[in-house]
Amino acid sequence: EIVLTQSPGTLSLSPGERATLSCRASQSVSSTYLAWYQQKPGQAPRLLIYGASSRATGIPDRFSGSGSGTDFTLTISRLEPEDFAVYYCQQYGSSRYTFGQGTKLEIK
Amino acid sequence: EVQLVESGGGLVKPGGSLRLTCAASGFTFSNAWMSWVRQAPGKGLEWVGRIKSKTDGGTTDYTAPVKGRFTISRDDSKTTLYLQMNSLKTEDTAVYYCTTQSGYRFAYWGQGTLVTVSS
Repeated sequence: EIVLTQSPGTLSLSPGERATLSCRASQSVSSTYLAWYQQKPGQAPRLLIYGASSRATGIPDRFSGSGSGTDFTLTISRLEPEDFAVYYCQQYGSSRYTFGQGTKLEIK
Repeated sequence: EVQLVESGGGLVKPGGSLRLTCAASGFTFSNAWMSWVRQAPGKGLEWVGRIKSKTDGGTTDYTAPVKGRFTISRDDSKTTLYLQMNSLKTEDTAVYYCTTQSGYRFAYWGQGTLVTVSS
């Protein structure tokens, strides 16, 4: 089973700053199978990015995804107050889906 | 508008059973692959299992910790997804989300239903 490790565990930044979140896989993942989600307290997760770099419907262009192989990145170019949340990466492989443990993005 | 509404959660004793229901609307349910994803209190997300559309074989896959205990099924005439959970353990305590799949991603999510396994 492919394990996804996200870093950092917690990221403290201020509105207007740039956020860079990392997701590292224990073995190579096809970019087609890599997605990112945002979850706010008390809410269901929301799909942000799929195929490693494609934004889901309605997602602002300040969110971008990149990477390939075992290293993937979610970048938020300029943080808005509503962006402070927990972010998860997710992959598919061998008929199984796994999530990273999450990165909490908090206001500094 | 896609809507997924889960129900059936509650308190159950270890070893007990529970059936969760997800009522779907706003999309062609019969063509959709559907998954259940759970989240233990204060923890991250864990994929539970998936059912393909009948046109794609209707087969199911499960994560190892629930295989043999949980069963996903669907009733396309009622646009409803089910999760039958047997031999429940305390570690199954979680919010259970119903999700649609688009490709290999979880595109839409319900609001979740809480299952608590405790004596």
